[in-house]
Amino acid sequence: GAVVSQHPSWVICKSGTSVKIECRSLDFQATTMFWYRQFPKQSLMLMATSNEGSKATYEQGVEKDKFLINHASLTLSTLTVTSAHPEDSSFYICSARPRGEDSPLHFGNGTRLTVT
Amino acid sequence: GENVGLHLPTLSVQEGDNSIINCAYSNSASDYFIWYKQESGKGPQFIIDIRSNMDKRQGQRVTVLLNKTVKHLSLQIAATQPGDSAVYFCAEVPLNDYKLSFGAGTTVTVRA
Repeated sequence: GAVVSQHPSWVICKSGTSVKIECRSLDFQATTMFWYRQFPKQSLMLMATSNEGSKATYEQGVEKDKFLINHASLTLSTLTVTSAHPEDSSFYICSARPRGEDSPLHFGNGTRLTVT
Repeated sequence: GENVGLHLPTLSVQEGDNSIINCAYSNSASDYFIWYKQESGKGPQFIIDIRSNMDKRQGQRVTVLLNKTVKHLSLQIAATQPGDSAVYFCAEVPLNDYKLSFGAGTTVTVRA
């Protein structure tokens, strides 16, 4: 149980375009989801906390207008990278915790974004 | 967690031997610690966790040790197998918060 699915698993886009990444909790509800970014051979860095029905909370240094987060339901959060640049190329990973459970976060399998 | 920047520590271990992966955490107020395994191109996979009121916890082939005095966490893998080759991250969680802070990660390579 507790499966988190991300889509797409990889995407290539041109500079200046926008890309949407979906994060779904398949068999549980999650009021909170988290978005991470990981550059090659580095650790995961928290970008923002996605809250169902309210605004996301962004970590220091993360541009909220560039990384738009929407958490419209208890099973879906989306991250949109707007006006993408090559430096946005990275591995984006989401995570979620079943609502009401004191359990570890479950992670999706990530989305590899390449901006050309 | 301690992020030492671009270089990930590495550990090479012979198949069948035991592995010990270490992690230094930064926040003395952290209440909960987790070890994750990340295979290439995939998201982190939960291995084992431990609360701050414990100093040891065992799972299947894995043991986590917590030393709060020196803010140190370790993961021991018994009888390491080729499938254990991956990057291992420790993560800390403050009290009453769900935010994870990840350590730098250790790349484990199992030699046949």
